[in-house]
Amino acid sequence: DTAVSQTPKYLVTQMGNDKSIKCEQNLGHDTMYWYKQDSKKFLKIMFSYNNKELIINETVPNRFSPKSPDKAHLNLHINSLELGDSAVYFCASSHQAAQTLNEQFFGPGTRLTVL
Amino acid sequence: AQKITQTQPGMFVQEKEAVTLDCTYDTSDPSYGLFWYKQPSSGEMIFLIYQGSYDQQNATEGRYSLNFQKARKSANLVISASQLGDSAMYFCAMRGVNTGGFKTIFGAGTRLFVKA
Repeated sequence: DTAVSQTPKYLVTQMGNDKSIKCEQNLGHDTMYWYKQDSKKFLKIMFSYNNKELIINETVPNRFSPKSPDKAHLNLHINSLELGDSAVYFCASSHQAAQTLNEQFFGPGTRLTVL
Repeated sequence: AQKITQTQPGMFVQEKEAVTLDCTYDTSDPSYGLFWYKQPSSGEMIFLIYQGSYDQQNATEGRYSLNFQKARKSANLVISASQLGDSAMYFCAMRGVNTGGFKTIFGAGTRLFVKA
């Protein structure tokens, strides 16, 4: 069973388009995250959600809008895509992040290429 | 502000030998966790090992051990008996209580090459 899944795995699109990436975890975790990994492999947090509520927004442009319909899902919608949005986007989850400093489980990543 | 520094962009190690990947950190958090993740060429992020700032003993997980020196703010990863499959990017990461545990910061990573 896949613990954290993301769809699609690859996404190629034109500048200016709007696209979404979906994430689902079946671990029963209450905290989910989105990370961006750039071409130099640098990994940076974008958003953290706890029990469907936004906790962390790391100065991400408002073209990026996460949505958590329930604790098991955290989707990422991106409007007006730009060349600089090309990256690998990782979803992750962890258990009770507010109480325990435990590890995060990552999805397989979505490679977004903006042409 | 929190910061993770990995000063080795790339490392080579001979198969079956041990290798140490360096990680230093900076934080004002009274309590924090340190993590190491492996990212092979296939791209997934794999959790390896965790060290809590108040843990008395260094963490170990199979061939992985974490050399935690709190006073020096270092959390080096030691891989014993390297295998070809250990060739990958390795990331050191930290999460602290001041952000409620919700924000993990990562170092720039070290690419490890294991030679046959």
